[in-house]
Amino acid sequence: GQNIDQPTEMTATEGAIVQINCTYQTSGFNGLFWYQQHAGEAPTFLSYNVLDGLEEKGRFSSFLSRSKGYSYLLLKELQMKDSASYLCAVRLTGKLIFGQGTTLQVKP
Amino acid sequence: DAGVTQSPTHLIKTRGQQVTLRCSPKSGHDTVSWYQQALGQGPQFIFQYYEEEERQRGNFPDRFSGHQFPNYSSELNVNALLLGDSALYLCASSLAEGMGYGYTFGSGTRLTVV
Repeated sequence: GQNIDQPTEMTATEGAIVQINCTYQTSGFNGLFWYQQHAGEAPTFLSYNVLDGLEEKGRFSSFLSRSKGYSYLLLKELQMKDSASYLCAVRLTGKLIFGQGTTLQVKP
Repeated sequence: DAGVTQSPTHLIKTRGQQVTLRCSPKSGHDTVSWYQQALGQGPQFIFQYYEEEERQRGNFPDRFSGHQFPNYSSELNVNALLLGDSALYLCASSLAEGMGYGYTFGSGTRLTVV
């Protein structure tokens, strides 16, 4: 079976740093995506990790440990517009398996 | 460069009816995947089309079927609609397996079954 776990909801303050964790148990692994999704909109690409380690892209960083089946998304200098759902997805051959998503609320 | 286009954006259908959703992939992409996203959940894989054939299928009943045309656009058909089919249906386009890792998602079709 395939299982991807993320926290359902998180709250953080504008200007702060937040870390969203994702653990996975899947039959196969070709990479791990993080997407941002605002309500009723398309998921938009944030990051992609294939190898272990940290990938940094501006205010967003993503970390992967394949041996632990673990990833996190780090958002720095939070802005109100970062309030959204964050989806962790494992890439298998021919498809993506998504977690349920983490709804992040950024407060002033 | 146009991204993924889906139509219609919203749709209301009655239980038992049939529906067809449409997707035009991003320019240069030849593979189309469909996902169902229930409210408050992550997207679930329905199936993938490449070279006009269904290549992979998720855990969805045969009421869900699809088609890919020579221009790479795709349709998702759902027969005998149930209330539980109400969801956001997302189309994602990509390059063939092994040719690239990126997926581009459309904004989705919001289907409401009453």
